[in-house]
Amino acid sequence: ELKVEQNPLFLSMQEGKNYTIYCNYSTTSDRLYWYRQDPGKSLESLFVLLSNGAVKQEGRLMASLDTKARLSTLHITAAVHDLSATYFCAVDTQGGSEKLVFGKGTKLTVNP
Amino acid sequence: GAGVSQSPSNKVTEKGKDVELRCDPISGHTALYWYRQSLGQGLEFLIYFQGNSAPDKSGLPSDRFSAERTGGSVSTLTIQRTQQEDSAVYLCASSLMVGLAGFYEQYFGPGTRLTVT
Repeated sequence: ELKVEQNPLFLSMQEGKNYTIYCNYSTTSDRLYWYRQDPGKSLESLFVLLSNGAVKQEGRLMASLDTKARLSTLHITAAVHDLSATYFCAVDTQGGSEKLVFGKGTKLTVNP
Repeated sequence: GAGVSQSPSNKVTEKGKDVELRCDPISGHTALYWYRQSLGQGLEFLIYFQGNSAPDKSGLPSDRFSAERTGGSVSTLTIQRTQQEDSAVYLCASSLMVGLAGFYEQYFGPGTRLTVT
């Protein structure tokens, strides 16, 4: 059974600081997704990582994938308040239905 | 263009009643998924439809849950004899196979918040 673990689950940081969210998964997969969820809202796709070594960047967020280590990271650079949200990683099971298995999410709070 | 829509946005029901939740996927998307998001369990896969293939029902938690997709478009998730533990946000997503990589990027609807009293 595919398991996805994120850490930390809660992250409080100050504006301007850098931090990394980690996502480990238990079986081989080369498709990993990062989503953002604001309170009371649905999931917004941030990044799709499709191969070992893939790196994607958008603004202050950068995601990477190491399929050999079964690890993805979401790095936040010089955080701003607008980045406050819950971030989920998800792994594609690639077993035919392409269903996603999600981590529990990281609730990020960026304080002024 | 229009995204995935779901209705109702909120539903409060009494324990033991049946409920129906609706999902309108993005036009042209061949795959449709239902997920459930609850505090205790996080985001869980429920069921997947792809074209005319048999659905993947492996995530449905009990036989009180069922879903159908009519005409390859709109889907309805039905929960019979609702229980308090069914309270959650039910999210629908749709996708289309993308490019040569053959992956499915899922686009999520706003969800239906179900409260069973």
